[in-house]
Amino acid sequence: GAGVSQSPRYKVAKRGQDVALRCDPISGHVSLFWYQQALGQGPEFLTYFQNEAQLDKSGLPSDRFFAERPEGSVSTLKIQRTQQEDSAVYLCASSFGGGDYEQYFGPGTRLTVT
Amino acid sequence: KQEVTQIPAALSVPEGENLVLNCSFTDSAIYNLQWFRQDPGKGLTSLLLIQSSQREQTSGRLNASLDKSSGRSTLYIAASQPGDSATYLCAVLIPGGSQGNLIFGKGTKLSVKP
Repeated sequence: GAGVSQSPRYKVAKRGQDVALRCDPISGHVSLFWYQQALGQGPEFLTYFQNEAQLDKSGLPSDRFFAERPEGSVSTLKIQRTQQEDSAVYLCASSFGGGDYEQYFGPGTRLTVT
Repeated sequence: KQEVTQIPAALSVPEGENLVLNCSFTDSAIYNLQWFRQDPGKGLTSLLLIQSSQREQTSGRLNASLDKSSGRSTLYIAASQPGDSATYLCAVLIPGGSQGNLIFGKGTKLSVKP
């Protein structure tokens, strides 16, 4: 079956532009997570959804970052007025449940802000 | 605050060698620990997941151990192959906050020379 997919795979944005990154989780997976991975670092948690409810957004670095999952499946991570420090790989993961259910990761979107 | 450290940051070995990657975490209150593999430009592939009540997990040439009381895990790779070359990430799932909050180390970049 299909895994987690993300689009676009690569995005170049000029500083100040808005971007939208999409995640299609595995069908039937209740939980969805976004992570940010800077070059040479491990992924860092951004936000977590259970169905359409955003239960934790404690990792979002600023109010320029916004995530939604309106119908409990596809999710979009939006970054407004991008800055150079936003350059990173954005990873999406989904799992069947919360807690100790295994998370399955997508290939990521590499964002470069120039 | 939970911190995950991986040593060494990089490792180069000849093909056929057995090797050990190390992971340490500062707070023993974890739900589970996972080892992931990340290939350049790709997402994360889960290799092994050890529940907090378990001591080890095995999959093929891979064996992961967990000593929660000392805050350590090791990933043992037997008879290494060039195809094992990748970055290996360790992550712990912590209670509180998001049910899916994985805390990652920075990874160990492994190179297996033919």
